[in-house]
Amino acid sequence: QSALTQPASVSGSPGQSITISCTGTSSDIGAYNFVSWYQQHPGKAPKLMIYDVSNRPSGVSNRFSGSKSGDTASLTISGLQADDEADYYCSSYTTSSTEVFGGGTKLTVL
Amino acid sequence: EVQLLESGGGLVQPGGSLRLSCAASGFTFSSHAMNWVRQAPGKGLEWVSGISASGSSTYYADSVKGRFTISRDNSKNSLYLQMDGLRAEDTALYYCAKDRTTYFYGRADYWGQGTLLTVSS
Repeated sequence: QSALTQPASVSGSPGQSITISCTGTSSDIGAYNFVSWYQQHPGKAPKLMIYDVSNRPSGVSNRFSGSKSGDTASLTISGLQADDEADYYCSSYTTSSTEVFGGGTKLTVL
Repeated sequence: EVQLLESGGGLVQPGGSLRLSCAASGFTFSSHAMNWVRQAPGKGLEWVSGISASGSSTYYADSVKGRFTISRDNSKNSLYLQMDGLRAEDTALYYCAKDRTTYFYGRADYWGQGTLLTVSS
């Protein structure tokens, strides 16, 4: 199972919006609506930010939103804040009953 | 408050074995699928294995299939990962992660702090 494809890095200024893409195949992202997004700060455990493509867990800011089109999912962060600077990972359930992660995207808030 | 506490990591020689444990609290353990996810030093996340709430269904990444065995003891609120035939590329921080639902669909909503495995001679 190949990893999902994410850009290595993205950046934005405070207050701006950014979008991180996550490209898979018809065997993962394209097959189910089980796409999740995780935020990981250095030295910390990952935190679930989005599940089932576009749902936010309780306590996650509504500045975070998710979407999907075909084999590509996206995470959008609006109103960028300094604390949003972190690594972001997408993941998807697959037709092989496994989970696959993306390679991760480092978000820099300028 | 959901808490997941991993233990059992350490230094192991190539070809060796080790069992990781994860003690869970703060939720109904027997109602949730569970996962192991690892992260090699300076690298990204890699899903390793998942298990349904009852323990009747288990799932593995190709990279560990046939070498690792996931299990759980719902009476002890504990998750395990038996690792045999360890390789240098298994060196990583291993996270225990709670799934959102009974069945495994790869949606981990709580994660432990991880336990470090180093495979080296």
